[in-house]
Amino acid sequence: GIQVEQSPPDLILQEGANSTLRCNFSDSVNNLQWFHQNPWGQLINLFYIPSGTKQNGRLSATTVATERYSLLYISSSQTTDSGVYFCAPEGGSEKLVFGKGTKLTVNP
Amino acid sequence: DAGITQSPRYKITETGRQVTLMCHQTWSHSYMFWYRQDLGHGLRLIYYSAAADITDKGEVPDGYVVSRSKTENFPLTLESATRSQTSVYFCASSLEQDLGYTFGSGTRLTVV
Repeated sequence: GIQVEQSPPDLILQEGANSTLRCNFSDSVNNLQWFHQNPWGQLINLFYIPSGTKQNGRLSATTVATERYSLLYISSSQTTDSGVYFCAPEGGSEKLVFGKGTKLTVNP
Repeated sequence: DAGITQSPRYKITETGRQVTLMCHQTWSHSYMFWYRQDLGHGLRLIYYSAAADITDKGEVPDGYVVSRSKTENFPLTLESATRSQTSVYFCASSLEQDLGYTFGSGTRLTVV
């Protein structure tokens, strides 16, 4: 099945800093989603982005499907951005396969 | 309230007992999914359903049973709970396979 690698595994920032999270995947995909899991465990869908670029406020995501990677940009980070960010490409059978995540800590 | 709800939020059960985790969504989404989340493994798919009465196995289906007699409900049953099934279980739904997933709040299950 599809393999998903996220980097970095851990990231610590000061409030106001920018960051880029990367997701590499091993096969072509029809679907890719980014999720944020907050410190209370809730999983929130950030983007559905099989290709191209999307922006939502301070967050944006880009997927280059031909090169098998996706990037999540967080600008002007806030403490509420802390948590774990998961990339999940579709594994070829209508099912998302989750990476192990990037744990982000934003300090005030 | 509209949304996707899981119950119970927390459950402690003994080895060998049967336990059912409930998932209910109010959007009439076609697709529903069960994932488990464990340290070191991320989220892994247990079972999914494309519509009522249609279910299929995911990556880690052994020891679990699902049913979907109604579009809005997708219960997950552990037939004989084992300690290795201690985990946080998440249910999710999606209107179509190409649209974003919405997750429930999760059920933390401990098997003692």
